[in-house]
Amino acid sequence: QKEVEQNSGPLSVPEGAIASLNCTYSDRGSQSFFWYRQYSGKSPELIMFIYSNGDKEDGRFTAQLNKASQYVSLLIRDSQPSDSATYLCAVNTGNQFYFGTGTSLTVIP
Amino acid sequence: EPEVTQTPSHQVTQMGQEVILRCVPISNHLYFYWYRQILGQKVEFLVSFYNNEISEKSEIFDDQFSVERPDGSNFTLKIRSTKLEDSAMYFCAIGLDYNEQFFGPGTRLTVL
Repeated sequence: QKEVEQNSGPLSVPEGAIASLNCTYSDRGSQSFFWYRQYSGKSPELIMFIYSNGDKEDGRFTAQLNKASQYVSLLIRDSQPSDSATYLCAVNTGNQFYFGTGTSLTVIP
Repeated sequence: EPEVTQTPSHQVTQMGQEVILRCVPISNHLYFYWYRQILGQKVEFLVSFYNNEISEKSEIFDDQFSVERPDGSNFTLKIRSTKLEDSAMYFCAIGLDYNEQFFGPGTRLTVL
């Protein structure tokens, strides 16, 4: 069973703070890793993907991958109330995509 | 970001009936995917489609499911004989690159 685990939250941070979201995966053969944002009742929106160990930055978002620890994280700097959503971690394993259950983030003005 | 629409936005059907869900990419893309999300649960991969054929499918995608691009643009998911447990949001996703998947707004399927 290929698992992607996320803390369901809710995670609350004050506006302007850094939000840190974590994800672990079970299959060492996983090839690429994705972060999506999903607002209630809406479809997932791709934030970014990463496939090499280390950090990848895109604007206020930074994805971090550690394949040895089977761990991927997303940092959101200068969090805004509009960032309040559920954040989904997804993993590409054997050309199939496995999603976590998501972490609910609330940014408090 | 590529645009993709899905029709219908909501489909209500009786158990045992066939449904066809449609995905219409606004621009040309190479990769197509179907996912489903049962209310309150995780997004589940169903199938990926590349170069007019299935490239990968999950255990969920059994014989009651099929996909095709009947006219080279629309991408459809057919469920032959719906069951109560097929009630979910069905999302189409498209991409020019295998790692970039842009989701459509979804079709809510309700099986009675």
